[in-house]
Amino acid sequence: KAGVTQTPRYLIKTRGQQVTLSCSPISGHRSVSWYQQTPGQGLQFLFEYFSETQRNKGNFPGRFSGRQFSNSRSEMNVSTLELGDSALYLCASSPVPDTEAFFGQGTRLTVV
Amino acid sequence: SQQGEEDPQALSIQEGENATMNCSYKTSINNLQWYRQNSGRGLVHLILIRSNEREKHSGRLRVTLDTSKKSSSLLITASRAADTASYFCATVIYNQGGKLIFGQGTELSVKP
Repeated sequence: KAGVTQTPRYLIKTRGQQVTLSCSPISGHRSVSWYQQTPGQGLQFLFEYFSETQRNKGNFPGRFSGRQFSNSRSEMNVSTLELGDSALYLCASSPVPDTEAFFGQGTRLTVV
Repeated sequence: SQQGEEDPQALSIQEGENATMNCSYKTSINNLQWYRQNSGRGLVHLILIRSNEREKHSGRLRVTLDTSKKSSSLLITASRAADTASYFCATVIYNQGGKLIFGQGTELSVKP
């Protein structure tokens, strides 16, 4: 079974631009969640989707948004990028919420 | 803010020794999970313990949960150099399944 796939793996963007990150969950998994990891703040929850519905949202500004498609694939978008958005963005999938999560390798975003 | 506090922040041991990491949390949980991360890559799920369980084993791993003290511990027995990684506890709060709240992690170094 293929694991969670995140694309792209690395990204360099300029301040003020926007970016879209993609996540393909494990086949059959309907729950997808996103996390931001930085040295200063650690791992922070961004949002969680289940069957195309956003069930939970973390404490991030509205510049961070996401969605889930009918095939469970998910995207997250960050608009008007700031230097502080530089981070490793991790996506995780589960068969259903409240079970073990399987993480992708992450997308490392650098904002310059 | 982080739900979990982990202790110690860093741990250095010799191969063959046992490693114990502790995690404390603030609010009532549905379950608590432990993850491992190698060098800023994706997280690997190690073990999940539910709020009505007190102890769980998986290979060389032993996890305990004390809901009265809101704490958990992860014991790795007979450590190997390959166990060198960062270890995170993550909690799932009632009615927020799918949202993992991570601690700051323990950095484990196992010297050959």
